[in-house]
Amino acid sequence: DSGVTQTPKHLITATGQRVTLRCSPRSGDLSVYWYQQSLDQGLQFLIQYYNGEERAKGNILERFSAQQFPDLHSELNLSSLELGDSALYFCASSPGTSGTDTQYFGPGTRLTVL
Amino acid sequence: EDQVTQSPEALRLQEGESSSLNCSYTVSGLRGLFWYRQDPGKGPEFLFTLYSAGEEKEKERLKATLTKKESFLHITAPKPEDSATYLCAVQAGYSTLTFGKGTMLLVSP
Repeated sequence: DSGVTQTPKHLITATGQRVTLRCSPRSGDLSVYWYQQSLDQGLQFLIQYYNGEERAKGNILERFSAQQFPDLHSELNLSSLELGDSALYFCASSPGTSGTDTQYFGPGTRLTVL
Repeated sequence: EDQVTQSPEALRLQEGESSSLNCSYTVSGLRGLFWYRQDPGKGPEFLFTLYSAGEEKEKERLKATLTKKESFLHITAPKPEDSATYLCAVQAGYSTLTFGKGTMLLVSP
């Protein structure tokens, strides 16, 4: 158990809908990262927040957005969903912003878009 | 652009048959190389961080090594419970992690 929690575990929805994924980091960690993992693309970095502020952006679509709240939990919002958005979404956390900080991953949310 | 290539894509071993997984990388200014283990449908589990060429780290049957162009994950006398996908990731400059696509390891009893 990494100490990172994610809800829900599974999510099934239809094309065009909007969903929210939630992540609580390990106690004491200020950075939260979101990743998407699909069979053909592997693990792709989406976005990082540090202490409530956006820190780095990766291959995140404009239909996707995220935020980190004062209690440090984070939410990833996915809108206008397409079939290709079906994937595993992982959240990770680390103590700070140093690139050499170890990122600890949550159990993931499996999103299925029908 | 940072690139990470892992080989082989899949590896099947008999229990006790030692082998190595390869992670080759192209980055400008490596700050850290990370190895994770991932079981099907689960989140990646941290194994090792290597920071400089020549560094080695060990944990049970696993040993990770780093050169200037690649890293190896050596598995000695593997057991069926070592079956998983092993992911390599690099961090360069102030960028975030770039992952390889992983090596799927299956250890048969």
